[in-house]
Amino acid sequence: DIVMTQSPDSLAVSLGERATINCKSSQSVLYISNNKNYLAWYQQKPGQPPKLLIFWASTRESGVPDRFSGSGSGTDFTLTISSLQAEDVAIYYCQQYFITPCTFGQGTKLDIK
Amino acid sequence: EVQLLDSGGGLVQPGGSLRLSCAASGFTFSSYAMSWVRQAPGKGLEWVSGISGSGGTSGSTYYADSVKGRFTISRDNSKNTLHLQMNSLRAEDTAVYYCAKHGGDRCYSSVDYWGQGTLVTVSS
Repeated sequence: DIVMTQSPDSLAVSLGERATINCKSSQSVLYISNNKNYLAWYQQKPGQPPKLLIFWASTRESGVPDRFSGSGSGTDFTLTISSLQAEDVAIYYCQQYFITPCTFGQGTKLDIK
Repeated sequence: EVQLLDSGGGLVQPGGSLRLSCAASGFTFSSYAMSWVRQAPGKGLEWVSGISGSGGTSGSTYYADSVKGRFTISRDNSKNTLHLQMNSLRAEDTAVYYCAKHGGDRCYSSVDYWGQGTLVTVSS
């Protein structure tokens, strides 16, 4: 199984500041044939199901604010929130869908400083 | 509008069985891969099982090692419904189970819609 490891486990950022969450996979999730990274980011708020933010590592889902961006390739990925808003307080998960089981990272809890 | 309505959760004794259902609407159900993802109380997300949509691998099923041989995923495309038959339940299966729609016909795509979840509690 591919192990997904996120860092940090939690972080607190001031409103308007940048938040960065990292995700590392135990093996590459880049499919050479189509040059796509099989990596998604989700946001989960308390009492709610997860919400898709980013897929193919860097493609923003429709309706997601452009302050959210994804980057990286192969085994190392980053979710960046360029200017933190109060409504961004949540737990963020990365997930690989390169092979089954489609494993998730352990989650990163984001709070306001 | 895409809607996924999870149901079937409840309290069951260890060793018992439960069948979860997910009623889908707002999209061409048969065309898309579907999965079940669970979340134990206070814990992270765990992918449980997936089933492909129409296409070359239509109906192919996939399972996490933790549930293989105990859980069975199935779909009824005529009723736009996804099921998860759970047998030989254990305490560690206690979780909220989410129905999840993939963005493509295979499980090798991100999940773009989630149900609200149904709670399964395994306890004597």
